[in-house]
Amino acid sequence: QQQVKQSPQSLIVQKGGISIINCAYENTAFDYFPWYQQFPGKGPALLIAIRPDVSEKKEGRFTISFNKSAKQFSLHIMDSQPGDSATYFCAASRDYGGSQGNLIFGKGTKLSVKP
Amino acid sequence: EAQVTQNPRYLITVTGKKLTVTCSQNMNHEYMSWYRQDPGLGLRQIYYSMNVEVTDKGDVPEGYKVSRKEKRNFPLILESPSPNQTSLYFCASRRQVNTGELFFGEGSRLTVL
Repeated sequence: QQQVKQSPQSLIVQKGGISIINCAYENTAFDYFPWYQQFPGKGPALLIAIRPDVSEKKEGRFTISFNKSAKQFSLHIMDSQPGDSATYFCAASRDYGGSQGNLIFGKGTKLSVKP
Repeated sequence: EAQVTQNPRYLITVTGKKLTVTCSQNMNHEYMSWYRQDPGLGLRQIYYSMNVEVTDKGDVPEGYKVSRKEKRNFPLILESPSPNQTSLYFCASRRQVNTGELFFGEGSRLTVL
């Protein structure tokens, strides 16, 4: 049973456009939602993360929007650049009294930004 | 430099020949984990360890073994590799207490013929 569903599987955006990747989760106990970015030949690296007590978090051109009632969260990349071309993974985990549980990953979105 | 180091980075082997992929981290992290990445399937967890001598199965543990005798090392063992274990493998680590960033190694691409 897939607990975090990510879409789309692939995305092509023109330079300067907005890239939007969506994720939906099932477990209402999840309380930490990170996004990881992976370049070819490299391991994933943390990009940005959010907790359910806020509806939005912005870091530079990257924004997470969070909708607790719909159990959905999304990554928006503003002014997309060719250097943003990578695979993006959403993830979720829960806190067990101060001890973090395993991260559950979505299946990934391959983003290509065309010059 | 804080890092997770995996070896080998690339390996071609044959069915049934035991192999070990090593993983070492220098951040004194309690938690370590192994993932495999396959096209269309994303990152799937194989095994994880909350601390020394504590390991547990992830989502796809069949055909793999792990051990955690030291805090910094978490080797992945394939006792009798099969072609369906051809994949890209990642080791990762983080602090266990509170929410922390998961640090990944650069990956080990394994081909089993």
